[in-house]
Amino acid sequence: NAGVTQTPKFQVLKTGQSMTLQCAQDMNHNSMYWYRQDPGMGLRLIYYSASEGTTDKGEVPNGYNVSRLNKREFSLRLESAAPSQTSVYFCASRDRNYQPQHFGDGTRLSIL
Amino acid sequence: AQTVTQSQPEMSVQEAETVTLSCTYDTSESDYYLFWYKQPPSRQMILVIRQEAYKQQNATENRFSVNFQKAAKSFSLKISDSQLGDAAMYFCAYRSGVEYGNKLVFGAGTILRVKS
Repeated sequence: NAGVTQTPKFQVLKTGQSMTLQCAQDMNHNSMYWYRQDPGMGLRLIYYSASEGTTDKGEVPNGYNVSRLNKREFSLRLESAAPSQTSVYFCASRDRNYQPQHFGDGTRLSIL
Repeated sequence: AQTVTQSQPEMSVQEAETVTLSCTYDTSESDYYLFWYKQPPSRQMILVIRQEAYKQQNATENRFSVNFQKAAKSFSLKISDSQLGDAAMYFCAYRSGVEYGNKLVFGAGTILRVKS
């Protein structure tokens, strides 16, 4: 009954460090998404994976990479963290076309 | 590209009263979905209500209902009999019914405060 699980929940990095945010879903969903949430801007799409084996850029992909490891897991990597990447990151998944997205609880990432 | 606009950064409502949150969107598509998500202080994103563009009837979920005006590209959320637990950030979101990936486009959000 876990739904979408994100790890870690909180992380503080120094500028230039690398980090991978993990996301796993147990609902057998085909599509998975990574968003970032910044004050006053709602959620913006970073990358998505419409199906296992595919990944595509969203609205704000610069500075990030993703891996769809298998149907369950979709990770987001920051190769060289920058203060502008301080944000709350959400992973989401979705089944069929007419179904809504289900969200994880988010990861609060601070980069000093 | 589609855009979603929430023009009310903050709203307040007295407990047990009714409040309406506004949302407008811009699209050239005819097949799409609209959503309202609630984000309480716990940070969870909780689906409140959804509307398919091809349906003329406004969606309702208990105390939550929408006023969907397709021609005006307006999608407002009405919360009746407001409760303290309704206090949260509310996001309006659009999803194309035809575009690859079925990505969500969010508005900036409206903070709803409920006064006792």
